[in-house]
Amino acid sequence: SYELTQPPSVSVSPGQAARITCSGDNLGLRYIFWYQQKSGQSPVLVIYQNGQRPSGIPERFSGSNSGNTATLTISETQSMDEADYYCQVWDSYFWVFGGGTRLTVL
Amino acid sequence: EVQVVESGGGLVQPGGSLRLSCAASGFTLSSYWMHWVRQAPGKGLVWVARFNTDGTTNYADSVKGRFTISRDNANNMLYLQMNSLRVEDTAVYYCARENRELTGHPIGFDNWGQGTLVTVSS
Repeated sequence: SYELTQPPSVSVSPGQAARITCSGDNLGLRYIFWYQQKSGQSPVLVIYQNGQRPSGIPERFSGSNSGNTATLTISETQSMDEADYYCQVWDSYFWVFGGGTRLTVL
Repeated sequence: EVQVVESGGGLVQPGGSLRLSCAASGFTLSSYWMHWVRQAPGKGLVWVARFNTDGTTNYADSVKGRFTISRDNANNMLYLQMNSLRVEDTAVYYCARENRELTGHPIGFDNWGQGTLVTVSS
């Protein structure tokens, strides 16, 4: 089965750019999706089809996907962006999530 | 307002059964692919099962043969029947709507419920 690997944690200072990676075999050939989950809340879709933002998601959220790595970038990170982030891909008949990355805004 | 609301969670002994419900409002459930996703305490998201618009279903290997996803079009409801429950099935279970473009390309899980907690313990 297909596997996605994310770093367990990423730290960033307020106002700086945060980059969260997601790795998988030939990941760039697939669409990647990103979800934000704040403590005690349900997940929220923040990026779809590699780099598209749903309505209501701030422009500081962007995404890219090439080769074996996809990256979620949060420019000018704010304290409200502190959350767990999950990548997701479609694999034949199943959806697969990465293990999640906890973003800490110091 | 588009919304899904889960219910039916609770405490059950290993080997027992439970049925989760997901009530959809603001949209016609049968027009979307619908999913169950679970999250064990302190752990990540894990996809569990899906119900397609054409009525076909798929399951994660970990629940295949024990869980059954179903849909009630008349009442706009999605269900997850869970049998032979194990301690490792303990999790918050989310109902999620998958949106797709007219081309069929997925747009992602654009609507999630608040989740319902299932605890399997003796």
